[in-house]
Amino acid sequence: DAGVTQSPTHLIKTRGQQVTLRCSPKSGHDTVSWYQQALGQGPQFIFQYYEEEERQRGNFPDRFSGHQFPNYSSELNVNALLLGDSALYLCASRPTGGLSYEQYFGPGTRLTVT
Amino acid sequence: AQTVTQSQPEMSVQEAETVTLSCTYDTSESDYYLFWYKQPPSRQMILVIRQEAYKQQNATENRFSVNFQKAAKSFSLKISDSQLGDAAMYFCAYRTYSGNTPLVFGKGTRLSVIA
Repeated sequence: DAGVTQSPTHLIKTRGQQVTLRCSPKSGHDTVSWYQQALGQGPQFIFQYYEEEERQRGNFPDRFSGHQFPNYSSELNVNALLLGDSALYLCASRPTGGLSYEQYFGPGTRLTVT
Repeated sequence: AQTVTQSQPEMSVQEAETVTLSCTYDTSESDYYLFWYKQPPSRQMILVIRQEAYKQQNATENRFSVNFQKAAKSFSLKISDSQLGDAAMYFCAYRTYSGNTPLVFGKGTRLSVIA
């Protein structure tokens, strides 16, 4: 079992550009959540996808959008990048019918905006 | 809104000694989960231990144990017989018991282990 995988590992973008991050959930998991972890901070919830729809959203602007595919993989898109978007982006997956505490994290994508 | 506070940005411990990391939280819910996650330099967030709020008994996982004080809204992590591999960022996290709610994290405590 590969666990939760994310790509790319690192990414450098310029202000104003757009970026797409990808996540493949753990086998058997159908719910995907995205978190932003700024340097020296704890992760903050961006949004959650289930059945290809955004189910919950944290306090992030509309520049942050996502998508979930029929195979449960997910993308996080950020438009009009700001310097403050530089962070580690973590993907987490869980099985909807599983135990409430189950959540597995990927290794993250480090985004640097210059 | 629920909040999680970790008041110790950094801690250090001698190898084989015991260290306690502090966490307080604020919630109006009565049923919830509390977690401690470990994030080593590899960045992978690893679940160390969890506590269900309805359980009075403190959770234990090998060298890791918690002191859960529900009335005080306190949830500390004790690491016994510290090992070099325990060096990492430790995050305290909360989520409600029901539904598919997200985790709420503290800012973390960086633990160094001195050989």
